[in-house]
Amino acid sequence: EVQLVESGGGLVQPGGSLRLSCTASGFSFGTYSMNWVRQAPGMGLEWVSYISSSSRTIYYADSVKGRSTISRDNAKNSLHLQMNSLRAEDTAVYYCARTMVDYFYYMDVWGKGTTVTVSS
Amino acid sequence: QAVVTQEPSFSVSPGGTVTLTCGLSSASVSTSYYPSWYQQTPGQAPRTLIYTTTTRSSGVPDRFSGSILGDKAALTITGAQADDESDYYCVLYMGSGTWVFGGGTKLTVL
Repeated sequence: EVQLVESGGGLVQPGGSLRLSCTASGFSFGTYSMNWVRQAPGMGLEWVSYISSSSRTIYYADSVKGRSTISRDNAKNSLHLQMNSLRAEDTAVYYCARTMVDYFYYMDVWGKGTTVTVSS
Repeated sequence: QAVVTQEPSFSVSPGGTVTLTCGLSSASVSTSYYPSWYQQTPGQAPRTLIYTTTTRSSGVPDRFSGSILGDKAALTITGAQADDESDYYCVLYMGSGTWVFGGGTKLTVL
């Protein structure tokens, strides 16, 4: 079964850091691009960051640029999002999503999400 | 930054047809934006419905269809069922590995 499982969320104080992880199974992780997407409480979905299969191409939304770093370890089938200088507005459920590129450009498999709460 | 627009809410009767739209503040939506659609119920992860404008994802019933209507992408549900009551999000690929989601449409079936 194709599956993505996020972890690493929790309660953190403003200005703090958190490292989110996403573990993939059931497919050849190293051949797929990946995205992080978040959803603040009661709000819509927001694209956060993209990483290509080889890690050669990386992009960030303006809202997290300079404060976040996306990375992956294809040998361990894992994706990460290091988030620094966290703000209250970073409070959200963070989803990792397998991403189809090259003629498609969409997210086809989603994890269940991990919750990040930034509060003092 | 581009703004992707969706109707905040819509209502449809069981068995009825509804079309949700996805617009772009600064341009017409075309297939070049690879519009995709996602369904989300409260507390659940999004589910992929439609990609590259018209292609249904595996397992999605054929009552869901995607298209371009005028200058917007559209998701049409034909023969709406009670369990179609969900939030629906479109997302447009803006190029260079970036996507923009619409604000979502809350669909009520009653």
